[in-house]
Amino acid sequence: GQQLNQSPQSMFIQEGEDVSMNCTSSSIFNTWLWYKQDPGEGPVLLIALYKAGELTSNGRLTAQFGITRKDSFLNISASIPSDVGIYFCAGQGADDKIIFGKGTRLHILP
Amino acid sequence: GAVVSQHPSWVICKSGTSVKIECRSLDFQATTMFWYRQFPKQSLMLMATSNEGSKATYEQGVEKDKFLINHASLTLSTLTVTSAHPEDSSFYICSARAGVTTDTQYFGPGTRLTVL
Repeated sequence: GQQLNQSPQSMFIQEGEDVSMNCTSSSIFNTWLWYKQDPGEGPVLLIALYKAGELTSNGRLTAQFGITRKDSFLNISASIPSDVGIYFCAGQGADDKIIFGKGTRLHILP
Repeated sequence: GAVVSQHPSWVICKSGTSVKIECRSLDFQATTMFWYRQFPKQSLMLMATSNEGSKATYEQGVEKDKFLINHASLTLSTLTVTSAHPEDSSFYICSARAGVTTDTQYFGPGTRLTVL
């Protein structure tokens, strides 16, 4: 089945630093999605990408849908303490199902 | 954005009992709802897709007789874990979508199930 490779698995950064994470897939997706999940909560949609090459921003977050439709990245600029959490990429294919990556755990050092 | 609720938020039960988890779309009608399971420090794995008024479609490896899904109305889907065992302990998350496949799926806050 379809699999998403998300990297890095975890990140330890200083407050104020920029963050970058990415996802690659062996299959083409029609939609790429980025979610954030806090402990004990459901995932919250951050950015949705619908077209190959699309670059979309949401505040300090920027994400791009790769030209090949098999990859996407998420950047967070000037990180703040509330950015701590788990970030999941997800792809949605023609069958409408959402496949999640394994997540990137973001830690911000005091 | 749209709001999806789950009840209960957590439940502890004895092995062998059945547990029902509700997923409600509060401010929109959900033609399709999805059920996911998430083990600790793991990703979300799709268990099944349910459309209002029809039988759920289960992912490979998910036992339909163990995880009963009922989507009886456009705002409510239920997941019943039958004869629960400790290995069923997990975080169960639902999502709901209003209409066509391009519509956004809105996720609920999850239900933590612990089977003793």
